[in-house]
Amino acid sequence: EVQLVESGGGLVQPGRSLRLSCAASGFTFDDYAMHWVRQAPGKGLEWVSGISWNSGSIGYADSVKGRFTISRDNAKNSLYLQMNSLRAEDTALYYCAKAALKLRPLSYFDYWGQGTLVTVSS
Amino acid sequence: DIQMTQSPSSLSASVGDRVTITCRASQGISNYLAWYQQKPGKVPKLLIYAASTLQSGVPSRFSGSGSGTDFTLTISSLQPEDVATYYCQKYNSAPLVTFGPGTKVDIK
Repeated sequence: EVQLVESGGGLVQPGRSLRLSCAASGFTFDDYAMHWVRQAPGKGLEWVSGISWNSGSIGYADSVKGRFTISRDNAKNSLYLQMNSLRAEDTALYYCAKAALKLRPLSYFDYWGQGTLVTVSS
Repeated sequence: DIQMTQSPSSLSASVGDRVTITCRASQGISNYLAWYQQKPGKVPKLLIYAASTLQSGVPSRFSGSGSGTDFTLTISSLQPEDVATYYCQKYNSAPLVTFGPGTKVDIK
């Protein structure tokens, strides 16, 4: 059974940093691209960042470019999101999502974690 | 950047009604389009990928169509359990993806 478990969320002051983690199990982690998607309270889904299976291709939404860094450790079946210079508008539930297609750059998402809540407030 | 729009932003329909949601891309994306359902307080669920392919386990009352810039999600007979927000997603430019703003579906 595929499982994605996010952690690392919490309350943080504006300008500070936070690192999110996503522990994956139930599939061959290093065969699939992975993504972070966020959802502000009462709002829609916003893609944040994605990383290919071998970390060779990485992308960011314009809203987080230069502040957030995605990475993965295939030996640990883990995905990360380093978030620096946090702003109030980064407050959201952050989901980890798995690409559906093995070793394919263009893919939709077939599994999502339950999310970890990040609140940026003084 | 390719922008995604959805219409309507919300709708209210009766049980048994046929419901159609439209998603439009600002540039052609071939058939690299997926649809997700998110029920209140729940994680998004994949319904359709490649514009018209039904994900395994999804009820056959859901269908998708379109290619290029214009896409539709149809619920042939709305059920109470279909109350949710529906999002389209383009995935034609790895690893970047974009979600539409969502369409909230309620029962009248």
